[in-house]
Amino acid sequence: AQSVTQLDSHVSVSEGTPVLLRCNYSSSYSPSLFWYVQHPNKGLQLLLKYTSAATLVKGINGFEAEFKKSETSFHLTKPSAHMSDAAEYFCALGGSAGTALIFGKGTTLSVSS
Amino acid sequence: SAVISQKPSRDICQRGTSLTIQCQVDSQVTMMFWYRQQPGQSLTLIATANQGSEATYESGFVIDKFPISRPNLTFSTLTVSNMSPEDSSIYLCSVRPGLSTNLQYFGPGTRLTVT
Repeated sequence: AQSVTQLDSHVSVSEGTPVLLRCNYSSSYSPSLFWYVQHPNKGLQLLLKYTSAATLVKGINGFEAEFKKSETSFHLTKPSAHMSDAAEYFCALGGSAGTALIFGKGTTLSVSS
Repeated sequence: SAVISQKPSRDICQRGTSLTIQCQVDSQVTMMFWYRQQPGQSLTLIATANQGSEATYESGFVIDKFPISRPNLTFSTLTVSNMSPEDSSIYLCSVRPGLSTNLQYFGPGTRLTVT
């Protein structure tokens, strides 16, 4: 069965410190994995995607994620948090052709000054 | 990428009424999806809407409650029928730009409050 687990419902960091948002997946297919961000009262914006090319994926706004097959993980990181990074982050799994993305429950990132 | 617009952006409706949400894409796409995001929750897939075929609904969602139209490759509507306060959610339209990718783009959402 296909599933996505975001291990933290809420992460709090100080501005300028590193960010780590954790995502594990389960898939019987070779996975496609995505991170989306949702700012308050906004739609979902694609941060980055993994589709079986390089395992370290760079996205927008300084975010990156590393695909680790042995750990079935796709954690999102950023070296230095900014206040504007405060938002809801969703990890998503693409399954077989013709099926929609499956989303994790989301992680709320809070950034304090 | 695809640019997606939704109308209305938000609405407040009375229970028992229906609301039709429109989704317009700036390019032709084969696959469109409708999701619901209840307050503070993740996204739940309602249905997949492919042009030229009936929408495919996920478990827990039925056509009588959420009828969907897909008249062409750039447009779709979702109707929320006989609304109750439990239908208060954000409804999101999403598209897949090509058959060779799982990537999906999302519209800004329609924020529905049912009183």
